[in-house]
Amino acid sequence: EAGVTQSPTHLIKTRGQQATLRCSPISGHTSVYWYQQALGLGLQFLLWYDEGEERNRGNFPPRFSGRQFPNYSSELNVNALELEDSALYLCASSLAGTADSATNEKLFFGSGTQLSVL
Amino acid sequence: DQQVKQNSPSLSVQEGRISILNCDYTNSMFDYFLWYKKYPAEGPTFLISISSIKDKNEDGRFTVFLNKSAKHLSLHIVPSQPGDSAVYFCAASYNDMRFGAGTRLTVKP
Repeated sequence: EAGVTQSPTHLIKTRGQQATLRCSPISGHTSVYWYQQALGLGLQFLLWYDEGEERNRGNFPPRFSGRQFPNYSSELNVNALELEDSALYLCASSLAGTADSATNEKLFFGSGTQLSVL
Repeated sequence: DQQVKQNSPSLSVQEGRISILNCDYTNSMFDYFLWYKKYPAEGPTFLISISSIKDKNEDGRFTVFLNKSAKHLSLHIVPSQPGDSAVYFCAASYNDMRFGAGTRLTVKP
């Protein structure tokens, strides 16, 4: 069974440009999460999609946006790129809508997209 | 706002000894806690979890302890092995999942 796949693996952009990152969840998973791992800051929660809808977003500006398609794959868009957007962007998927003590759901991560903004 | 905190960026232990990684959280709504392990150039992988109704969960060499009153959890690895060297992330969940900054564990032969 294929895991979570992300593309591209690496992306180089210049300041002011737009970046599009893609994620395909594990087959059967309906929830997709996006995280940013900037140097020394751990995994910062960006967005959570479930069944095609945005369920929650982290403390990021509106130029970070995304969507989830009918096949549950997802896209993260970053507009007006800034130097500090350089980071590893990780996508994760889960089977259930929420990960809590009732579902005991786990997130399964892809290997990430390394975005470099020059 | 950092709702999950790992205050030790790094930890070094000798092979065969115990590794103890710590994590604190601030949001009392969290009811499910996990530890993930990450190697370079790979995504994090699930290690062990604990529900808020328990105070301990064990899986082989890995044990997670939860102290709800202190909003603190820890991961014990006994005995530590060189292959355990990785970055360990603590996570807490209520609806979505929040992660700490990670602790880099180095196990020396």
